[in-house]
Amino acid sequence: EVQLVESGGGVVQPGGSLRLSCAASGFTFSRNWMTWVRQAPGKGLEWVANIKQDGSEKWYVDSVKGRFAISRDNAQNSLYLQMNSLRADDTAVYYCARDDPAAGPLDVWGQGTTVTVSS
Amino acid sequence: QTVVTQEPSLTVSPGGTVTLTCSSSTGAVTSGNWPNWFQQKPGQAPRALIYTTSNNYYWTPARFSGSLLGGKAALTLSGVQPEDEADYYCLLYDGGAHIWVFGGGTKLTVL
Repeated sequence: EVQLVESGGGVVQPGGSLRLSCAASGFTFSRNWMTWVRQAPGKGLEWVANIKQDGSEKWYVDSVKGRFAISRDNAQNSLYLQMNSLRADDTAVYYCARDDPAAGPLDVWGQGTTVTVSS
Repeated sequence: QTVVTQEPSLTVSPGGTVTLTCSSSTGAVTSGNWPNWFQQKPGQAPRALIYTTSNNYYWTPARFSGSLLGGKAALTLSGVQPEDEADYYCLLYDGGAHIWVFGGGTKLTVL
């Protein structure tokens, strides 16, 4: 069964840092672009960042550039999101998702991990 | 970066047909924007429905179909079921910025 499981969410003060992880199983992780998507409370989905299979390309939405860093470890079948200089508007559920090269982006999603930025 | 716009809300009767649309601030939506559609029910993660404009995943009911319509991406539900009540999001590729952009979502009520 294809599965993505996020972890690492929590409560952090403004200006703080947090590292999210996403454990993948049931497919060949190294063959897929991977993506982070977030959803603020009561709001819509926001595409955050993605990373190429070998990590050589990374793309970010403007609102997180210079603060967030996406990375992966293909040997560990894991995706990461390092979040620095966190702000209140970063409060959201963060989902990791797989991009299927034969179909489209975000064909499989994790259940999400919640990040709350508050003093 | 591109702004993607959807109807905030729509209402449809059970058994009816409804079309949701997705437009881009940069102009007409084309196949080059690789339109995708997602469904999200309360308390759940989103689920992919349609990829590359009009392709259904194997788990997508046949009553869901995607197309390009009048310069927009469109998602049509035919023979709507009560379980189709959900939020629907489109996703477009912004080739200039090499990123993907979600629309604001459409809340579909089946009443």
